[in-house]
Amino acid sequence: GQQLNQSPQSMFIQEGEDVSMNCTSSSIFNTWLWYKQDPGEGPVLLIALYKAGELTSNGRLTAQFGITRKDSFLNISASIPSDVGIYFCAGQRTGTASKLTFGTGTRLQVTL
Amino acid sequence: SQTIHQWPATLVQPVGSPLSLECTVEGTSNPNLYWYRQAAGRGLQLLFYSVGIGQISSEVPQNLSASRPQDRQFILSSKKLLLSDSGFYLCACAGWGEQFFGPGTRLTVL
Repeated sequence: GQQLNQSPQSMFIQEGEDVSMNCTSSSIFNTWLWYKQDPGEGPVLLIALYKAGELTSNGRLTAQFGITRKDSFLNISASIPSDVGIYFCAGQRTGTASKLTFGTGTRLQVTL
Repeated sequence: SQTIHQWPATLVQPVGSPLSLECTVEGTSNPNLYWYRQAAGRGLQLLFYSVGIGQISSEVPQNLSASRPQDRQFILSSKKLLLSDSGFYLCACAGWGEQFFGPGTRLTVL
């Protein structure tokens, strides 16, 4: 099935640095979601975006719904070791039984 | 808020054996339910979804089947497992759009 293009694929950063990742699609979505998955666990919802241009924060996380509705961005400020994991974006269209199209994932590793 | 239970947490099965994975949901009514498979280091592949009791939609052709005998129960089954069925199986629930995931079942087929 279709997957969204997510970049970077992986990144090593130092503790305290800011992180940016993005997700792009060739088609429009009505909702963008960002999840984090720790090894051996299910993904956990971080942020949900419902409106083009919307900027939403959750603690050190900030995500934006692209104005074209074809992309979304996630920023993590002042990274800490527990930010390690895989981050997935997901897009959702109205009237599709809430099905999600997932990004390919960004693996984040933090060095002390 | 909803809670999603999956069992077993891990399972090792021989090729050709049957499979039954169960997912139950608490804290919501008439949810949409989903089964995903995740290969090691890969993204999530939607296998089945259900918008109500007895209603199952399959996303990809495969060796697996799904059933929803009750509003908050979703079962993933196989009559004969293949090696390629190994993976991490995730159940998800959506009440008002956002999907929430269960803890997953790690299946190894030998």
